[in-house]
Amino acid sequence: QVQLVQSGAEVKKPGASVRVSCKASGYTFTGYYIHWVRQAPGQGLEWMGWINPKSGGTNYAQKFQGRVAMTRDTSISSAYMELSRLGSDDTAIYFCARQSSGYFYPYWGLGTLVTVSS
Amino acid sequence: DIQMTQPPSTLSASVGDRVTITCRASQSINTWLAWYQQKPGKAPELLIYMASSLQSGVPSRFSGSGSGTEFTLTISSLQPDDFATYFCQQYDSPPFTFGQGTKLEI
Repeated sequence: QVQLVQSGAEVKKPGASVRVSCKASGYTFTGYYIHWVRQAPGQGLEWMGWINPKSGGTNYAQKFQGRVAMTRDTSISSAYMELSRLGSDDTAIYFCARQSSGYFYPYWGLGTLVTVSS
Repeated sequence: DIQMTQPPSTLSASVGDRVTITCRASQSINTWLAWYQQKPGKAPELLIYMASSLQSGVPSRFSGSGSGTEFTLTISSLQPDDFATYFCQQYDSPPFTFGQGTKLEI
């Protein structure tokens, strides 16, 4: 069965960076894009971008351009999302999600809470 | 960016009710629309994709319809487990935006 296991909660200071990992199992890692979606407390869902695990190619939402980097390590079937220059409005749960035949998500990680606080 | 609107933000209903949740896109997205259910503290779960295709394992009381800019999610007979927040998502073109959600409450 498809599983996406994310890294644990993080607490960061303003201006710092955070790296969240997403380890995939149960399918061919290079066969499907991994997307990152975040959700601020009590708010809706916000798409951040995708990575093609096969090529390493990425597509980031304009809002995060220059501040986000999505990478992968195919040897361990893991995807990573690094967000830099954190502000308090980056406090959110960060989800990785695997797409299906289209850009919708049947599989999600449990989420990683990132708290930005001085 | 394509804006997704889900009025209202909260909907009150009772067990056994037939409920319709709406989603509007700021421009045509054909049928590139998905619906998710989210419960507190959990990841979203895919219910519907391609506007009307039921995801495997999802109860048949859930159905979706629409194309272009107007979409609906219908629950034919509400069950206690259905009280949750529902999000639509367009995947016509990036950024793949979500609606702000409709919370279904008793």
